[in-house]
Amino acid sequence: EDQVTQSPEALRLQEGESSSLNCSYTVSGLRGLFWYRQDPGKGPEFLFTLYSAGEEKEKERLKATLTKKESFLHITAPKPEDSATYLCAVHPSGSARQLTFGSGTQLTVLP
Amino acid sequence: DAGVIQSPRHEVTEMGQEVTLRCKPISGHNSLFWYRQTMMRGLELLIYFNNNVPIDDSGMPEDRFSAKMPNASFSTLKIQPSEPRDSAVYFCASSLQGGEQFFGPGTRLTVL
Repeated sequence: EDQVTQSPEALRLQEGESSSLNCSYTVSGLRGLFWYRQDPGKGPEFLFTLYSAGEEKEKERLKATLTKKESFLHITAPKPEDSATYLCAVHPSGSARQLTFGSGTQLTVLP
Repeated sequence: DAGVIQSPRHEVTEMGQEVTLRCKPISGHNSLFWYRQTMMRGLELLIYFNNNVPIDDSGMPEDRFSAKMPNASFSTLKIQPSEPRDSAVYFCASSLQGGEQFFGPGTRLTVL
């Protein structure tokens, strides 16, 4: 069974304090790993897709990396507007199964 | 450019009533997904359609839940009869050829 575990559950940072969020996964084969951002009262917003170990993608202050067992979302010099819940999801290969989501990391960036 | 559209945004109903949630996917997308999000269970896939055909409904909780996609631009998720434990936020998402999924704003359902 596919499993996605995100840590920490919650993270509070001061503005400018860089950190990383972790997404550990177990799948029989990986078609892709997705990162989403979710603001309160809104639907998840797509950030990145990673397909193979060693791949990295960047967008503004965010950089996502992937290994064979986990993915990291690095946040460099965060701002209060980066506060949100960050969700990780895996898309297994070899079947019609779709995304399995982790429970998310709630990030709060204090001014 | 319109994203995924869901209606209603909020629904409050009494136990035993029928509830219908509606979704309009992004034009040109050929896959549509219905999710449920709760604090306890997070984001769970209920059912997904590919080219208007239901592919996997293994996430549908029980027979009280049903979903239809009569055409490429419209889908419904129906709960009949509704129960308090169905209270959650229901999201619709769409994608093109299995790519990244784009989510709607959700419907917050409260069953009293």
